[in-house]
Amino acid sequence: SAVISQKPSRDICQRGTSLTIQCQVDSQVTMMFWYRQQPGQSLTLIATANQGSEATYESGFVIDKFPISRPNLTFSTLTVSNMSPEDSSIYLCSVHIGGGGTEAFFGQGTRLTVV
Amino acid sequence: KQEVTQIPAALSVPEGENLVLNCSFTDSAIYNLQWFRQDPGKGLTSLLLIQSSQREQTSGRLNASLDKSSGRSTLYIAASQPGDSATYLCAVGGFETSYDKVIFGPGTSLSVIP
Repeated sequence: SAVISQKPSRDICQRGTSLTIQCQVDSQVTMMFWYRQQPGQSLTLIATANQGSEATYESGFVIDKFPISRPNLTFSTLTVSNMSPEDSSIYLCSVHIGGGGTEAFFGQGTRLTVV
Repeated sequence: KQEVTQIPAALSVPEGENLVLNCSFTDSAIYNLQWFRQDPGKGLTSLLLIQSSQREQTSGRLNASLDKSSGRSTLYIAASQPGDSATYLCAVGGFETSYDKVIFGPGTSLSVIP
């Protein structure tokens, strides 16, 4: 299994500002995944972060809006830039642990409210 | 493109009932399927992981089955309790590699009435 710590757990931000969310894992992992969960919705993958390379973004998400850092094998950050109320969501960090047929583990999420 | 659906979207049952949640996926080329539980405003808790070569997994009162060829999975909850009230999400993963991304269904919101 994996223990994933996310900071902050929640925040209320002014529109036009940026928030950086941190994700720390208790073991080294190749990939880290960032998801967004809008109110009442399921999870949508934002991007996949590999250590030492640029993140791979899903359709509808761009690096300028959601820059990601992956400085080492246990840590990643997601920044939500130039926020608007539409960015109010839960943001979750995830890793896969185990060989062949890996299991996904999630942090507790960051609840972001933009006012 | 993989699509995951879940039926029903919401379910309300009296305490003690056995219940079944359904998950369907369009592309059978998966490495695994996971069932998660999410409490309001919280992160996800993994309940059961079924590898593509397996037919079912059990944990306590929970039993999940997988029929990969038909693109279906069910989560069976026995003797439901109010503490089971949560949203249940199924997710399929590992397409090109076992480390590939996970695709989520929309979830089933379960309410167990005391």
